[in-house]
Amino acid sequence: DTAVSQTPKYLVTQMGNDKSIKCEQNLGHDTMYWYKQDSKKFLKIMFSYNNKELIINETVPNRFSPKSPDKAHLNLHINSLELGDSAVYFCASSQVRTSEETQYFGPGTRLLVL
Amino acid sequence: EDQVTQSPEALRLQEGESSSLNCSYTVSGLRGLFWYRQDPGKGPEFLFTLYSAGEEKEKERLKATLTKKESFLHITAPKPEDSATYLCAVRSYGNNRLAFGKGNQVVVIP
Repeated sequence: DTAVSQTPKYLVTQMGNDKSIKCEQNLGHDTMYWYKQDSKKFLKIMFSYNNKELIINETVPNRFSPKSPDKAHLNLHINSLELGDSAVYFCASSQVRTSEETQYFGPGTRLLVL
Repeated sequence: EDQVTQSPEALRLQEGESSSLNCSYTVSGLRGLFWYRQDPGKGPEFLFTLYSAGEEKEKERLKATLTKKESFLHITAPKPEDSATYLCAVRSYGNNRLAFGKGNQVVVIP
């Protein structure tokens, strides 16, 4: 199936730990994104990569570091996890500079920091 | 900064009772307005993109319209399976990011 996939779906961890979330898209898109959805369901952009180059870097703690090994993958590494990092993290992808430029989202990773 | 306000926050409808969701936006230059549907525990699912005032798009019981200041998502004769949170987002020129509203949570009662 063509889609945006994320692993893991659920992540429960202790404060202070380091964790990673992986994202892959097989839609052939050139741009990938990380969004955070808080407890009030508000979706906010964190990062965006175009052809492996960082193009959006919102005001996010530097404990969060995205890495794009190639156009189809965008991973999110989080150091020294804090309680406030608990949220749902969504990966998305799009093909920019086309008439559509619609962003397609993955199923989300539910992170709970204890 | 692009801003999106959705109303009402929550809506309960009887099956078959048509209604409309509102998305008001402020952007420097609208490149696109997007509607997504989000079911509990899932990622946003793309519904429509609107680009210019006067544009309309339809999909089954949903119809999205656009003016220079707002968009409406009309739900005609809703069914329980239309229960979801509907998210509106805008993208402005020179900007790769989508600015989302907080969503309209719709519950359709059989």
